[in-house]
Amino acid sequence: NAGVTQTPKFQVLKTGQSMTLQCAQDMNHNSMYWYRQDPGMGLRLIYYSASEGTTDKGEVPNGYNVSRLNKREFSLRLESAAPSQTSVYFCASSQSGSSGANVLTFGAGSRLTVL
Amino acid sequence: AQSVTQLDSHVSVSEGTPVLLRCNYSSSYSPSLFWYVQHPNKGLQLLLKYTSAATLVKGINGFEAEFKKSETSFHLTKPSAHMSDAAEYFCVVTGDSSYKLIFGSGTRLLVRP
Repeated sequence: NAGVTQTPKFQVLKTGQSMTLQCAQDMNHNSMYWYRQDPGMGLRLIYYSASEGTTDKGEVPNGYNVSRLNKREFSLRLESAAPSQTSVYFCASSQSGSSGANVLTFGAGSRLTVL
Repeated sequence: AQSVTQLDSHVSVSEGTPVLLRCNYSSSYSPSLFWYVQHPNKGLQLLLKYTSAATLVKGINGFEAEFKKSETSFHLTKPSAHMSDAAEYFCVVTGDSSYKLIFGSGTRLLVRP
């Protein structure tokens, strides 16, 4: 049981380049999320997908786009990378979004550096 | 608006001594609260969750947390620290949507031999 798988684990980009972070889960979860983690700031929600076919903005969506490709896969795209997007990105999934039941399963993270 | 404050950015304890990681929250309704742990270069893992059933919540690896509404606190404790407990711990509260969790800034736990 792989859980949540993210690729790539590491990436270095130059300012202005684009890239896509891939995420897949094999737990038949309905909801998927992308977070970024910066030192001293905890995790901040970029985008989420409550269910297949829907996506919504989180706390820090600017500069990012997402695609919920199917129930298993949720990708995060940086169209024109900026140094401020240097961060560790985590994908997560959950069975239900209902309050009190929402428990996240996280991937191992993708460390992105923008020069 | 919902928010969460972890009162210590770093906590250092000796192996075998108690652990206390402090968390205060602010919420306009009855929240769900969680503690997650992150070991170095790993993703986050759920330690325990409070969802209005029992105020004392037991989690994995001997951790527990007590929900105190009057103090708006959800502190994490463990009677005896182990070297493997060294990690970063995040207190989390549900936000204005059940899909939007609010993460604290984290407490890094150091366990000295």
